[in-house]
Amino acid sequence: DGGITQSPKYLFRKEGQNVTLSCEQNLNHDAMYWYRQDPGQGLRLIYYSQIVNDFQKGDIAEGYSVSREKKESFPLTVTSAQKNPTAFYLCASSGGRAYSNQPQHFGDGTRLSIL
Amino acid sequence: DQQVKQNSPSLSVQEGRISILNCDYTNSMFDYFLWYKKYPAEGPTFLISISSIKDKNEDGRFTVFLNKSAKHLSLHIVPSQPGDSAVYFCAARYNTGGTSYGKLTFGQGTILTVHP
Repeated sequence: DGGITQSPKYLFRKEGQNVTLSCEQNLNHDAMYWYRQDPGQGLRLIYYSQIVNDFQKGDIAEGYSVSREKKESFPLTVTSAQKNPTAFYLCASSGGRAYSNQPQHFGDGTRLSIL
Repeated sequence: DQQVKQNSPSLSVQEGRISILNCDYTNSMFDYFLWYKKYPAEGPTFLISISSIKDKNEDGRFTVFLNKSAKHLSLHIVPSQPGDSAVYFCAARYNTGGTSYGKLTFGQGTILTVHP
């Protein structure tokens, strides 16, 4: 079955530690995205990538980093510079050419907590 | 600046009745609108979308209406079922081409509860 796989489902971070969240898709989508969800809020865009080896900052990129070395993979690193990392992190992907109306498909998320 | 707003944090409806979820936006450059449904501890699932060139799109029990002059979007669910109980997010795409392609702005979500 095609889809988006996020791992781990739960992750704990110690003070001063960097952690990496995995996102893999087998939908052959060009574009991938990382969002953060906090209680009572909508999804906020952290980073997105339209194509391999290219990515752009979203609305809340500070304290995060990404890479896009392969089409199917878009890992997110939460660095020690992110002072409030506790949240639910969602990865998404979308396909189609520019201007085509393809919805984003989401993984099941990773919940990150501070120890 | 919240460009997409869902002003009702929650909505409670009786099974079989209509559920109407509302969404307002401020940016006239949004050209594509979507509704997502989300259960706890899961990712959002795409429900239905509408392009800004249309004012209505229907898919089974779900209908989305777009009023561009009012910058207002609504999702109608008829008839509502207990399994529809979830958080519903509206989202809008700002498309200037290039790096903005596909970027979505989400509302805060509305918790829908459908009572048997």
